[in-house]
Amino acid sequence: QVQLQESGPGLVKPSQTLSLTCTVSGGSISNSGSYWSWIRQHPGKGLEWIGFISHTGYTLYNPSLKSRVGISADTSKSQFSLRLNSVTAADTAVYFCARENGRTYYFDYWGQGALVTVSS
Amino acid sequence: SYVLTQPLSVSEAPGQTARISCGGDNLGSKIVHWYQQRPGQAPMLVVYDDSDRPSGITERFSGSKSGNTATLTIMRVEAGDEADYYCQVWDIASDVVFGGGTKLTVL
Repeated sequence: QVQLQESGPGLVKPSQTLSLTCTVSGGSISNSGSYWSWIRQHPGKGLEWIGFISHTGYTLYNPSLKSRVGISADTSKSQFSLRLNSVTAADTAVYFCARENGRTYYFDYWGQGALVTVSS
Repeated sequence: SYVLTQPLSVSEAPGQTARISCGGDNLGSKIVHWYQQRPGQAPMLVVYDDSDRPSGITERFSGSKSGNTATLTIMRVEAGDEADYYCQVWDIASDVVFGGGTKLTVL
């Protein structure tokens, strides 16, 4: 059973960089066929896809966030990470990591989510 | 960008059948997935590839698609089904797209 767990600071100051890590257990992020994704949910709102990284290191980002976001992976630690630059209060959200099926792009395993608040 | 439209809310009495719609341009040519999100929890995949159920998901949940509308059907609704439900597709121009979500209330 694949399990994902987000970790990182719960409070980030405006204009700084949000950094989160997702640790994957029960499966390898080096295996083909899956993408490793970040999704966020603003308080009381719907889901917003941020982007993914593949086992080859290929990344794809939501065009609305592309200029500020970066996703990287450390296969030796079975982790992948999110960086979001120049944050504002509008980036306050619960951030989920998830495994994305590489064929039809559904999310079959999710982390529990991490609330990140942007405030001074 | 591609848009998926869901009703804000659906209500149904226990034991009845709830239907949640998801509409979008040319949806018939896309593959639709559905998620359940209970309060304070992560979303959970309940239907993928239009109509398939992941292992462990009750057969009371089913997905279908006709024209530009996909439907998640929940038979014999239970109190535990009360949650937000999201549809999702992959669009070549917009990548991953989620619907706005539908709150299912069990009366």
